[in-house]
Amino acid sequence: GAVVSQHPSWVICKSGTSVKIECRSLDFQATTMFWYRQFPKQSLMLMATSNEGSKATYEQGVEKDKFLINHASLTLSTLTVTSAHPEDSSFYICSARDPTTSTDTQYFGPGTRLTVL
Amino acid sequence: SQQGEEDPQALSIQEGENATMNCSYKTSINNLQWYRQNSGRGLVHLILIRSNEREKHSGRLRVTLDTSKKSSSLLITASRAADTASYFCATVFSGSARQLTFGSGTQLTVLP
Repeated sequence: GAVVSQHPSWVICKSGTSVKIECRSLDFQATTMFWYRQFPKQSLMLMATSNEGSKATYEQGVEKDKFLINHASLTLSTLTVTSAHPEDSSFYICSARDPTTSTDTQYFGPGTRLTVL
Repeated sequence: SQQGEEDPQALSIQEGENATMNCSYKTSINNLQWYRQNSGRGLVHLILIRSNEREKHSGRLRVTLDTSKKSSSLLITASRAADTASYFCATVFSGSARQLTFGSGTQLTVLP
């Protein structure tokens, strides 16, 4: 099956620094990737839709200048949390759809746990 | 915004028993999917049911969809300790950009 990886799996940073999270589709090309945020014991909230070669589409309430998304290739999307603060601490998960299939199934990465001190 | 509600929020059963989780949504959908998440991990796709389907099976999983009631259920038969996880329903709205909107999730614990 389709595999999506994320790196790093966890990161601890100081308040005010920026953190970059990578999401890669390993065995398929993904024109569209999605970034989610999940707080403990809660569901996934879609942050943005990342489109290869164009600007990301952000959900209402998500600051695009704080959460920078770059989808530079068909297999890589990055999320940069700029000037991170403790309230940004969360579990960030990416997913991708395989455009060669006719379903809306998304393949999820293993997630990145961000802790901002 | 999150549109699906799931119940129960938490379910604890003995190994071998069946587990049923329910999901409700608010608007017309193209399809509904169920995912599993082990603690601190990514999500694994379990099954997809289209809006014109009423029931679907995959191994020990059985999913039903009632579009008139805007609800779905996931049944796991003969549960195992390894089924312990959070289960989420996710919908793709009709006419949407193919995004998934997740329900609130059910935490299933299967006791050995």
